[in-house]
Amino acid sequence: DAGVTQSPTHLIKTRGQQVTLRCSPKSGHDTVSWYQQALGQGPQFIFQYYEEEERQRGNFPDRFSGHQFPNYSSELNVNALLLGDSALYLCASSLGQGGNIQYFGAGTRLSVL
Amino acid sequence: GENVEQHPSTLSVQEGDSAVIKCTYSDSASNYFPWYKQELGKRPQLIIDIRSNVGEKKDQRIAVTLNKTAKHFSLHITETQPEDSAVYFCAASITIKAAGNKLTFGGGTRVLVKP
Repeated sequence: DAGVTQSPTHLIKTRGQQVTLRCSPKSGHDTVSWYQQALGQGPQFIFQYYEEEERQRGNFPDRFSGHQFPNYSSELNVNALLLGDSALYLCASSLGQGGNIQYFGAGTRLSVL
Repeated sequence: GENVEQHPSTLSVQEGDSAVIKCTYSDSASNYFPWYKQELGKRPQLIIDIRSNVGEKKDQRIAVTLNKTAKHFSLHITETQPEDSAVYFCAASITIKAAGNKLTFGGGTRVLVKP
């Protein structure tokens, strides 16, 4: 049973560029959430996708956008990268909405130079 | 919005001793409280969770207690072992069907178990 998988594992970009991160949920899960984890801090919620729609959003600017595909996989896009966007980006999947356990992937480490 | 505070930020214990990590939350509507363990360079892994209709939950050496009145919950690890060394995160969530369940995390506690 495959867990949550994310790609790529590491990424280096320069300021102003755009990046796309990918996530495949755990088998049987249909909800995907994205979190940003800065070094030495707890993860911060970016947004959650269910039924191919953004259902909840955290305090992140519109430069952060996402998408969920019919097979439940998801992408996180960040435009006009800033140095402060350097972080570990975690994807979590769960089944349905409300009250269900979120399982995390290993993350994508993004460095913005 | 929800705010979760976690203490202490670092905790050093002797192998075999107990470790306690405390969290407070701000939104009384929060009803789901998971704890995650994150080893260096690895994914956060759920170790235990509790819902607001329960005051205490135990799983082998790990227990969590919840005080809804005080908006406070704690993680207790007994008989600590070197493999318990990691960063532990508490989180709180308001679970609303059709609206999602975003997790709000505390800042983390780095636990070091000394042999």
